[in-house]
Amino acid sequence: KAGVTQTPRYLIKTRGQQVTLSCSPISGHRSVSWYQQTPGQGLQFLFEYFSETQRNKGNFPGRFSGRQFSNSRSEMNVSTLELGDSALYLCASSYEGGNGYTFGSGTRLTVV
Amino acid sequence: ILNVEQSPQSLHVQEGDSTNFTCSFPSSNFYALHWYRWETAKSPEALFVMTLNGDEKKKGRISATLNTKEGYSYLYIKGSQPEDSATYLCAPQTGANNLFFGTGTRLTVIP
Repeated sequence: KAGVTQTPRYLIKTRGQQVTLSCSPISGHRSVSWYQQTPGQGLQFLFEYFSETQRNKGNFPGRFSGRQFSNSRSEMNVSTLELGDSALYLCASSYEGGNGYTFGSGTRLTVV
Repeated sequence: ILNVEQSPQSLHVQEGDSTNFTCSFPSSNFYALHWYRWETAKSPEALFVMTLNGDEKKKGRISATLNTKEGYSYLYIKGSQPEDSATYLCAPQTGANNLFFGTGTRLTVIP
């Protein structure tokens, strides 16, 4: 079966712009979580969506937002980009969350 | 936010050596402990999910143990091979459904 698909793989944006990243989970998976990884940091939890509802949220500013659609696909949006937002953004899907997640390949965002 | 510590940060071993890493986490509000392997240019791959104190899981040459009372887990690799080279991440899970990842142990197996 198809894995978790993240698009785009790479993205270069300018400070102040906004960006939207997409994540298509494994078919049947209803939970989608988003993580940020910056150099020297572990994976930092952004938020988790389950059945179109945000179920958990990490400690990130309001510029980071997300949503989930009825087909479980999820998008993450970052507004007013800052240089420090340059990172690898990973999404992970699970059937109900908490029983092992399957990760996508990530979107590498560079803010210049 | 949980304080998750993994040690060592990096490790170089010779092919055929056995090795182990440690993951320490707060024992309160524990729900599960996840181990992932993350190879360069690939996605993190789930290895184990453990929930019970004293749990021991095995997958080929890799095994893990869990002590929820004292808040630690060990990952063991027996007879390391070059293909085991990766970053090994642990992630405790509280009652919520989000994982708190450590910064990982980067293993390099030298042929």
